Amino acid sequence: KAGVTQTPRYLIKTRGQQVTLSCSPISGHRSVSWYQQTPGQGLQFLFEYFSETQRNKGNFPGRFSGRQFSNSRSEMNVSTLELGDSALYLCASSGQGGGEAFFGQGTRLTVV
Amino acid sequence: GIQVEQSPPDLILQEGANSTLRCNFSDSVNNLQWFHQNPWGQLINLFYIPSGTKQNGRLSATTVATERYSLLYISSSQTTDSGVYFCASAGGTSYGKLTFGQGTILTVHP
Repeated sequence: KAGVTQTPRYLIKTRGQQVTLSCSPISGHRSVSWYQQTPGQGLQFLFEYFSETQRNKGNFPGRFSGRQFSNSRSEMNVSTLELGDSALYLCASSGQGGGEAFFGQGTRLTVV
Repeated sequence: GIQVEQSPPDLILQEGANSTLRCNFSDSVNNLQWFHQNPWGQLINLFYIPSGTKQNGRLSATTVATERYSLLYISSSQTTDSGVYFCASAGGTSYGKLTFGQGTILTVHP
């Protein structure tokens, strides 16, 4: 059974640009959650999608958005990038009723 | 939302020693997980343990849901156990929203 797949693994962007990250969950999992990890703030929840609907949302500005497709794959978009958006972005998938979450390898974003 | 606190923040051991990591959470939970973050950043699942006790080799975990804490035990530690250990929990209807502790940095010396 394939795990959670995130692409790309590494990304370098310039301030002001936008970026899209992708996450393919474990087959059969319908919940996808996104997290940001920085040295100063630790691991913080961004949002969760379930059956193409945003089910939970963290405390991030509107520049951070996401969506989920009918095959449960999810994308996260960050517009007007700031230096502080440099972070490791992790996505997790889990089953319908919650349960154990499994994480992808992450996308390391550097904003210069 | 749920608050999660881990202790200690740092732990230094000699190979072969045993250790206990603690996770306190502020509310009732339907999900409690322990992770080990590898050097490349991926979170590796150790235990899914909203209540009870589980063991996997040299590692074991216990969650006492009524008292709102969980413990991760590492016995006969090895240098490969070094890294950051996270506890994360979710409660209520926030199934897919894990709240993480700040982590415990474990260093095992040979």
